[in-house]
Amino acid sequence: NAGVMQNPRHLVRRRGQEARLRCSPMKGHSHVYWYRQLPEEGLKFMVYLQKENIIDESGMPKERFSAEFPKEGPSILRIQQVVRGDSAAYFCASSPRLGALGGSSYNEQFFGPGTRLTVL
Amino acid sequence: QKEVEQNSGPLSVPEGAIASLNCTYSDRGSQSFFWYRQYSGKSPELIMFIYSNGDKEDGRFTAQLNKASQYVSLLIRDSQPSDSATYLCAVIQASGGSYIPTFGRGTSLIVHP
Repeated sequence: NAGVMQNPRHLVRRRGQEARLRCSPMKGHSHVYWYRQLPEEGLKFMVYLQKENIIDESGMPKERFSAEFPKEGPSILRIQQVVRGDSAAYFCASSPRLGALGGSSYNEQFFGPGTRLTVL
Repeated sequence: QKEVEQNSGPLSVPEGAIASLNCTYSDRGSQSFFWYRQYSGKSPELIMFIYSNGDKEDGRFTAQLNKASQYVSLLIRDSQPSDSATYLCAVIQASGGSYIPTFGRGTSLIVHP
């Protein structure tokens, strides 16, 4: 019973290199979210994707960052030309669906173990 | 600007006591509320969600929601040292079709023997 999987768990890059973070959602989940967490800070939303679609990327920096969730394969968060400020934990979460319950909405998200990115 | 506020703590309680964690939010349109637990160096783990005013109980955990006052709280009864973690409050406003949760910074809980 696989939960949300992320790899690599730890990634070290030098300034200017590219970082690729992968996320495989739970089986049956079609919604993927990426978050960034800096030390002593909360989770900051980056991007929300469904298969082959970016639904909301309002939290994504305009430059160097991109995300995709292809029809086949994992979701990928790509950071080009990394800088030291990109060092953080990047979490992926998945959910099965959007829904309404009793007139309200709910959206349970299940988190992967995260990728700790260190930029030297 | 949607804001979710939590006291960063640390909140220190003795083993066996009730730990009370609070969260306030600014957006009156918020409809879904979540509590996550995050151990140091680990990923957030969903504890409970609530969307109706009142209390919702699950084992030693009780979530309380008061939409009029715009706060949601989490009570942990019979606190154990293993409950020591950071607790994150997350709020979703459903209007406009966006189901993106806004997270608070979390409250650090320490349960001492």
